[in-house]
Amino acid sequence: DIVMTQSPDSLAVSLGEGATINCKSSQSVLSSSNNKNYLGWYQQKPGQPPKLLIYWASTRESGVPDRFSGSGSGTDFTLTISSLQAEDVAIYYCQQYYSTPYTFGQGTKLEIK
Amino acid sequence: EVQLLESGGGLVQPGGSLRLSCAASGFSFSGYAMSWVRQAPGKGLEWVSTVIGSGTSTFYADSVKGRFTVSRDNSKNTLYLQMNSLRGGDTAIYYCAKARESHGLLDSWGQGTLVTVFS
Repeated sequence: DIVMTQSPDSLAVSLGEGATINCKSSQSVLSSSNNKNYLGWYQQKPGQPPKLLIYWASTRESGVPDRFSGSGSGTDFTLTISSLQAEDVAIYYCQQYYSTPYTFGQGTKLEIK
Repeated sequence: EVQLLESGGGLVQPGGSLRLSCAASGFSFSGYAMSWVRQAPGKGLEWVSTVIGSGTSTFYADSVKGRFTVSRDNSKNTLYLQMNSLRGGDTAIYYCAKARESHGLLDSWGQGTLVTVFS
């Protein structure tokens, strides 16, 4: 199984400041056949289901604000929020969809400082 | 607009069974793989199972293999999860989710249904 490890577990950032969440996979999720990283990022607000933010490691889902961006390749990935807004308070999960079982990171709780 | 509505959750004793349903609308149901993902109270996300669009291939987490069965009725646009031999560790909100072109990429989620296994 591919183990996904996020850091930090929690993060407090001031409004308007940037936030960075890291995700590391125990083996590469980069496909040699299509050169795509099978890595997604989800946002989950309290009492709500998860919402897809980023897929293929860096492609923003339709309707997601451009302050959210994803980067990385192979085993190391980053979700960056360029200017934190109050509505960004949530738990963020990375997920690999390279192979079953499709595993998630443990989550990073983002709060306002 | 994609809509996914889960039902069937509830209270069950250890060893018991439940069948969850997920009614889908707003997209061509048979054209997409569908998954179940669960979240124990206060915990993270755990993928449970996936079934491809035709229903002919299924995938399971080791934690539920042999106890849970995923299926779909494309004529009714409905996804199912038959859960047998339930344990306390199965207590969670169960979400159904629609996959994109890659079976594990989940682009739409339902609101979830709560399953509580208690003795």
